[in-house]
Amino acid sequence: GENVEQHPSTLSVQEGDSAVIKCTYSDSASNYFPWYKQELGKRPQLIIDIRSNVGEKKDQRIAVTLNKTAKHFSLHITETQPEDSAVYFCAASRGGSARQLTFGSGTQLTVLP
Amino acid sequence: EAQVTQNPRYLITVTGKKLTVTCSQNMNHEYMSWYRQDPGLGLRQIYYSMNVEVTDKGDVPEGYKVSRKEKRNFPLILESPSPNQTSLYFCASSDLAPGTDTQYFGPGTRLTVL
Repeated sequence: GENVEQHPSTLSVQEGDSAVIKCTYSDSASNYFPWYKQELGKRPQLIIDIRSNVGEKKDQRIAVTLNKTAKHFSLHITETQPEDSAVYFCAASRGGSARQLTFGSGTQLTVLP
Repeated sequence: EAQVTQNPRYLITVTGKKLTVTCSQNMNHEYMSWYRQDPGLGLRQIYYSMNVEVTDKGDVPEGYKVSRKEKRNFPLILESPSPNQTSLYFCASSDLAPGTDTQYFGPGTRLTVL
């Protein structure tokens, strides 16, 4: 089955700096890669996703890149703000179905003012 | 308002006492799923359903049951809870139409089994 590894597990950055979180996956059939943000005590919420036919996608201060050959994808947050502090999860579809998601173990991002 | 609801939000119970966590969505989504979240392990899928009367196992189905008798509801049943099922549980739903892969999560149910 699919296995998703996420690094780092914790990340602290100064406000205004960039943050990068990396994930690798094992199933070459995976074709959908969402990123979720979970604030303390809240539910996970989708912040950006990418499909295997696209190498990069941007939405304001966040971007995701995908390298299918190397089987890794990354989340980039620029100009970080204190409200970006949260746990971020990457996920990969299993067997080509966009809803059979395997999640990474999460990254606790702390943005220091 | 489009939403996924879960009840109860918090539950403390004892080993062996059957319990049900309800999940309901008002978005007419075909797909519904249950996850459990444990520290350091992320979210792991328990069961999912592609439509009414269609359910299948996820990664960690042992000790759980589900049913999908109505499109909007997808209850999670623990017939004989054990302490290793203490966890935070999330229900999620999404559409099945192409390009509508976003899963909407419920608010979570924190379960403690003593």
